[in-house]
Amino acid sequence: DAGVIQSPRHEVTEMGQEVTLRCKPISGHDYLFWYRQTMMRGLELLIYFNNNVPIDDSGMPEDRFSAKMPNASFSTLKIQPSEPRDSAVYFCASSFGSTNEKLFFGSGTQLSVL
Amino acid sequence: AQSVAQPEDQVNVAEGNPLTVKCTYSVSGNPYLFWYVQYPNRGLQFLLKYITGDNLVKGSYGFEAEFNKSQTSFHLKKPSALVSDSALYFCAVRGQTGANNLFFGTGTRLTVIP
Repeated sequence: DAGVIQSPRHEVTEMGQEVTLRCKPISGHDYLFWYRQTMMRGLELLIYFNNNVPIDDSGMPEDRFSAKMPNASFSTLKIQPSEPRDSAVYFCASSFGSTNEKLFFGSGTQLSVL
Repeated sequence: AQSVAQPEDQVNVAEGNPLTVKCTYSVSGNPYLFWYVQYPNRGLQFLLKYITGDNLVKGSYGFEAEFNKSQTSFHLKKPSALVSDSALYFCAVRGQTGANNLFFGTGTRLTVIP
């Protein structure tokens, strides 16, 4: 298995633009998580899905952020409009089952909003 | 709410010496605790987990962690550090919803000095 695949690896955009981050989880995994990593706040859980259904989005900073999982093999995190404070590394992770199994992380998307 | 704290931002240790990376936790109910490692420009990788049972948990790359309920700690240890162990280490605790949503500490940067 190729692991969790995220695209793009790097994204540079201007304030006000729409940004879409993509994630392909490991096949067969039924949980998908979006995390954001910054120096100031560390790793923050933004939202997670179970069987394509959003379970907890309490970590989503504000309405500018939205996430979807249209099928078991694809998820997007969208920021519209983007702001400089959104600059961070965004990680997607997946896991199988709810019996405390480990999370598998993608390599992340480094987002810079100018 | 579930949370973990990593009191040290940075730990330096000489190669060959034992290392300890500290973590304390605060949970309601039974703690489900994890350690992850992050190498530069990579996603997090699972090292080990404590769910129940033996207080000494063994994990990947020769790491182990000791669960101490009275001190609410879950310190990561290794008997003999390698230069290749230099990385960012995260302690994590599972959320309360019963799923694998993890809440991470702020991370500790381990530097092993040759």
